[in-house]
Amino acid sequence: DIQMTQSPSSLSASVGDRVTITCRASQSIGRSLNWYQERPGKAPKLLIYSTFNLESGVPSRFSGSGSGTDFTLTISGLQPEDFSTYYCLQTYSSVWTFGQGTKVEIK
Amino acid sequence: EVQLVQSGAEVKKPGEPLNISCHGSGYNFVAFWIAWVRQKPGKGLEWMGIIYPGDSHTTYSPSFQGQVSISVDKSTSTANLRWSGLKASDTAMYYCARGTRGTTYYLDYWGQGTLVTVS
Repeated sequence: DIQMTQSPSSLSASVGDRVTITCRASQSIGRSLNWYQERPGKAPKLLIYSTFNLESGVPSRFSGSGSGTDFTLTISGLQPEDFSTYYCLQTYSSVWTFGQGTKVEIK
Repeated sequence: EVQLVQSGAEVKKPGEPLNISCHGSGYNFVAFWIAWVRQKPGKGLEWMGIIYPGDSHTTYSPSFQGQVSISVDKSTSTANLRWSGLKASDTAMYYCARGTRGTTYYLDYWGQGTLVTVS
């Protein structure tokens, strides 16, 4: 199976900060990498698909980049509603795998 | 409007069987994959497996192979996740999600989750 290593596992940031979360795949996954936001008590929400495509309705402060094994989710100008947990999901192989998650907390 | 509506919370005893469901509406159910995702209390998301309703082709994560069974009923646009005998370690929130293929695959719509408590 393809392992996804997400970092950091948690971070503290302030409103307005630029935040970067990374996901590293154990082998090349092309651009088959998606990002999700999970708020407490809610189902995960798709933010970015196929590495860099912004899901409809998602604010433009979210962006994704990368290819192969290294991928990044960037939040440019953190807003109060962005304090959540973020997950990457690879869909390259027949067995899909999530990263361990990154919790973004208020500093 | 695309919707995935899951069955309600369940409280079961170890060893009991269980089936939870996920009803899709607002789209062509047979043309999109349905995945199941587990989230244990306070933990991360785990991909369990996926089924294509059109032909019932199913892939399981090795971690869940033989532990659960995924199926669909095309006549009711419903996907099912079934256990033959629950364990306390199956206590978790379970989500279904729709798999879409663009240039790559992704899960775009999610159900509201079904909380399963085994005690």
